[in-house]
Amino acid sequence: GQQVMQIPQYQHVQEGEDFTTYCNSSTTLSNIQWYKQRPGGHPVFLIQLVKSGEVKKQKRLTFQFGEAKKNSSLHITATQTTDVGTYFCAGNTGTASKLTFGTGTRLQVTL
Amino acid sequence: NAGVMQNPRHLVRRRGQEARLRCSPMKGHSHVYWYRQLPEEGLKFMVYLQKENIIDESGMPKERFSAEFPKEGPSILRIQQVVRGDSAAYFCASSPSPIVYEQYFGPGTRLTVT
Repeated sequence: GQQVMQIPQYQHVQEGEDFTTYCNSSTTLSNIQWYKQRPGGHPVFLIQLVKSGEVKKQKRLTFQFGEAKKNSSLHITATQTTDVGTYFCAGNTGTASKLTFGTGTRLQVTL
Repeated sequence: NAGVMQNPRHLVRRRGQEARLRCSPMKGHSHVYWYRQLPEEGLKFMVYLQKENIIDESGMPKERFSAEFPKEGPSILRIQQVVRGDSAAYFCASSPSPIVYEQYFGPGTRLTVT
C-alpha cells in the first residue's frame, strides 16, 4: 500500500533558526496537503499543492511539490515559538478520497 | 459557521464495553472521514462516508468496528468490546467534496480503555 514518510521525526531549533521537513511518497500523488497539529490539538489544514514543481508561500512558510509529484517539503524561515507542533504531509492519489498521512515531524522551538 | 463537532471529547471505557463516538460535519459538508491517532504517531485513515453510504472502509479493522452516517444526525463510529489497544484519539474530518479538497478536522475524541 501507499506509504508516506517524513524526515526528520523530530527537530529542536532555537527561535530565529530555519526549519525544513521533507515528505516522500512511495507512489505518485495527485495532490499533497500539509497540516499542523499543536500538542493536544487537532490537525489544521495549511495548504494544498497540485501541480508538479509547484511552490507556494504563506508568510514565513514555503511549500514545494516535487517535479515527479512524489515528494514535498515545508520550510519555515526564522522560526517562532508559535510554530511549535507536528507538521504532517498528506497525499491523495486521484479520485480516491482517502488521505494518507505522513509520519509527521515534531518541531520544538526554544528561546 | 460552526466547525466540525465531535463528542464526547474524552471517553473512558472498561475492556469489553462499547464506545460510540459522534461527529457532526461542518454545515454544507456531506463527506465525513474518520482517522485514528495513537500516541506520538500519525493519523491512520479508517473510513470515508457520505450520507447513508460507506464509500471506503479500507482502513477499518474487520471486527468490532463499524461506522455510519445516517440521513439525519451525526456520523457515528462504534467500537464493540473495546480492548486496551483501542485507546487512541479518534478524529473526524469533513469536506464539501471528496476530490482535491482540504479536510476540516474536529477536536477529536480521546478514548481510554481501562
